[in-house]
Amino acid sequence: AAGVIQSPRHLIKEKRETATLKCYPIPRHDTVYWYQQGPGQDPQFLISFYEKMQSDKGSIPDRFSAQQFSDYHSELNMSSLELGDSALYFCASSPGTSAYNEQFFGPGTRLTVL
Amino acid sequence: AQSVTQLGSHVSVSEGALVLLRCNYSSSVPPYLFWYVQYPNQGLQLLLKYTSAATLVKGINGFEAEFKKSETSFHLTKPSAHMSDAAEYFCAVRAADSNYQLIWGAGTKLIIKP
Repeated sequence: AAGVIQSPRHLIKEKRETATLKCYPIPRHDTVYWYQQGPGQDPQFLISFYEKMQSDKGSIPDRFSAQQFSDYHSELNMSSLELGDSALYFCASSPGTSAYNEQFFGPGTRLTVL
Repeated sequence: AQSVTQLGSHVSVSEGALVLLRCNYSSSVPPYLFWYVQYPNQGLQLLLKYTSAATLVKGINGFEAEFKKSETSFHLTKPSAHMSDAAEYFCAVRAADSNYQLIWGAGTKLIIKP
């Protein structure tokens, strides 16, 4: 079965650079969530989209932005990268926003900021 | 607001022994609860979920969890640990006051001794 695809899987950037992370949800899933997981930490919710509109916002820094496109894939744009942005970034998708809908997670993008 | 507490950042059991990972939640509304497993350098995989149907929920890989409202708990168990169970386990509750983003516990690393 098709799963959530994230690219790239690994990314190395320097401070003050920009990065773009991509997420391709499972077909027919219209909701995408982004999470950030720092080393040894639990995932922290960043932002979510439903039907190409931002539906909720968590602890996403102002330096980050995201959007969901017409084909439902989503991109997380990160600017002025800081050392503390080094983390595993997960994307999850679900078929709608009901509370009981399972979120299916991608493998994550590991971002290292030097 | 919802929150999740996982007792014990590390749990060590012998192969073949009972696995018990503790999760307590706080929620002002009936919760939807999830257990996810994360293997080293991999994404998050759903083990099981409670969505107000049966209080005893069976998941993959022989795991199960029991929802106890009186104790606000959703502990994860497995009768006999296997070496392949070594991973980090996250308990999560679905937020009810936003777009149902997941609120995570801090995670419990399960160590299996031969």
